[in-house]
Amino acid sequence: AQTVTQSQPEMSVQEAETVTLSCTYDTSESDYYLFWYKQPPSRQMILVIRQEAYKQQNATENRFSVNFQKAAKSFSLKISDSQLGDAAMYFCAYRSEGSGTYKYIFGTGTRLKVLA
Amino acid sequence: NAGVTQTPKFQVLKTGQSMTLQCAQDMNHEYMSWYRQDPGMGLRLIHYSVGAGITDQGEVPNGYNVSRSTTEDFPLRLLSAAPSQTSVYFCASSLLGRGYNQPQHFGDGTRLSIL
Repeated sequence: AQTVTQSQPEMSVQEAETVTLSCTYDTSESDYYLFWYKQPPSRQMILVIRQEAYKQQNATENRFSVNFQKAAKSFSLKISDSQLGDAAMYFCAYRSEGSGTYKYIFGTGTRLKVLA
Repeated sequence: NAGVTQTPKFQVLKTGQSMTLQCAQDMNHEYMSWYRQDPGMGLRLIHYSVGAGITDQGEVPNGYNVSRSTTEDFPLRLLSAAPSQTSVYFCASSLLGRGYNQPQHFGDGTRLSIL
């Protein structure tokens, strides 16, 4: 069974600095997708960035980028120029594709605090 | 755009009561799913569906039933509520299809308390 591990329950970053959130996963599949979601205090789940496993190029979305290491099964999120509005819970998620089950597996989350 | 609509937003039940959490989406998404979110445990998949008439169990299905009679609706039923089912529940939907990296769209959640 696939698993997703976020080993940092909480992280802090100074405003305008850079922070990296870690995510590792375990799977025997070669075809899958990875996502980072943000959950602010409003409880909404907001997509931050996504990565296809078959793409070697790391995804970027403005200040957010990932470091996808397929062999190491690692999918970290880098937030540059951190802003107060980035403070939230961040969840890493895996979605299987090849097996046809289409299950999404979420990590336990990392709470990011942004210090002014 | 309504997206994914969950009702109610809050609910308090007594142990043993039954209830249905409603979820509707207007994006013609094939995939719909239910999660529960508990502190320190992330989102855990309860049930999911890949189309009308097709449902399957997720990681924590016990105590919950689902059905998918239409593409738009995916209700979650608690037949006999237990305090262990106190949680925040999220419904989500997405398109499916090989090669499509479609993220899930989430509802705003339902905070459910079982006394």
